[in-house]
Amino acid sequence: DAGVIQSPRHEVTEMGQEVTLRCKPISGHNSLFWYRQTMMRGLELLIYFNNNVPIDDSGMPEDRFSAKMPNASFSTLKIQPSEPRDSAVYFCASTQGQGGEQFFGPGTRLTVL
Amino acid sequence: GIQVEQSPPDLILQEGANSTLRCNFSDSVNNLQWFHQNPWGQLINLFYIPSGTKQNGRLSATTVATERYSLLYISSSQTTDSGVYFCAVAPSGGSYIPTFGRGTSLIVHP
Repeated sequence: DAGVIQSPRHEVTEMGQEVTLRCKPISGHNSLFWYRQTMMRGLELLIYFNNNVPIDDSGMPEDRFSAKMPNASFSTLKIQPSEPRDSAVYFCASTQGQGGEQFFGPGTRLTVL
Repeated sequence: GIQVEQSPPDLILQEGANSTLRCNFSDSVNNLQWFHQNPWGQLINLFYIPSGTKQNGRLSATTVATERYSLLYISSSQTTDSGVYFCAVAPSGGSYIPTFGRGTSLIVHP
């Protein structure tokens, strides 16, 4: 299996621009998680989907952040407008079944200038 | 929510040494994982171990769920073991959302 796939791997953008991060979970996995990692705050859960439905989005920082999962094999995390404090590594992870072993993608390193 | 504490926060070893990393959690769990984040930032699965003991090469892990802790053992450490080790737990009782500890940063010198 190809594992969790994320794109782009690196993104540099200017403040105010829209950023879209993409994730393809492992085939057959029905739970998907978006995380953000910074030195200051560590790994933070942003949103959790089960069977394409958002279950917990309490970690989404503010209205500038939105996430969708239109089907079982694709999810997006969008930031509009982006701000320098959004600079971080964003990870996507998936599991088979709730409570299953979690597998992470390689992450997207976002820099907002 | 559930609290996860990892110790020590930092560890420096000479190649060949053994070490034990600890993860304490504040409530009963339905799963527990250990991850290694390598210097390139990749999060690599080490163990999925809600209870019991598992071994994989030089690494082994033990979770004592009734006492709310897990241990990760690294034997004969190598420079490639350097990185940050995370423990993640999901509480029992319906939430399947893992909570991560702050990690143990390990440096292995040649």
